[in-house]
Amino acid sequence: KQEVTQIPAALSVPEGENLVLNCSFTDSAIYNLQWFRQDPGKGLTSLLLIQSSQREQTSGRLNASLDKSSGRSTLYIAASQPGDSATYLCAVRPPMDSSYKLIFGSGTRLLVRP
Amino acid sequence: EPEVTQTPSHQVTQMGQEVILRCVPISNHLYFYWYRQILGQKVEFLVSFYNNEISEKSEIFDDQFSVERPDGSNFTLKIRSTKLEDSAMYFCASSERLSWTKGLFFGSGTQLSVL
Repeated sequence: KQEVTQIPAALSVPEGENLVLNCSFTDSAIYNLQWFRQDPGKGLTSLLLIQSSQREQTSGRLNASLDKSSGRSTLYIAASQPGDSATYLCAVRPPMDSSYKLIFGSGTRLLVRP
Repeated sequence: EPEVTQTPSHQVTQMGQEVILRCVPISNHLYFYWYRQILGQKVEFLVSFYNNEISEKSEIFDDQFSVERPDGSNFTLKIRSTKLEDSAMYFCASSERLSWTKGLFFGSGTQLSVL
């Protein structure tokens, strides 16, 4: 059974710092991996989607990498800002022909201090 | 930018009552989903829906739950007789195609409180 784990559970950094959020999954047979941002009491905003054949994706100050064989993904945030404060969720999708669902980690709660 | 819209944003109900949560997926999307997040827990998959039928459901999605696409734009989740443990944030999501070339798009959620 696929399990997704995110470390650390919470992170507090000063503004301007570069940071890395970690996601690991137990079954390397995935179709893709998606990183989301969740603000308190709000919905999920998609940040980056990495297909299983890709190694990384970039969007602005965000860079996500995927090492499928080791069951790991990282989300790198450059030059963090207070507006980046949110919970970051990682989710994997099993192989396309077996399932339609996303399996989520429990998230990393990020606080960027001014 | 197109988005998934959910109504209401908050719903309070008494235990045993029926509730219907509504969603308007992105207009050219074909696959629809419901997820939920109990406070402090992970986001959990409930059900996926395509071509007017359920394509996959989780163990959570028992006979108390049903989904429907009553017209060309709305997608609903009905809970027939709510329990205290149904209190959660319910998210609707949609995707353009099965391959999810652009990923899964989520609405802002309906916070359901069962008293």
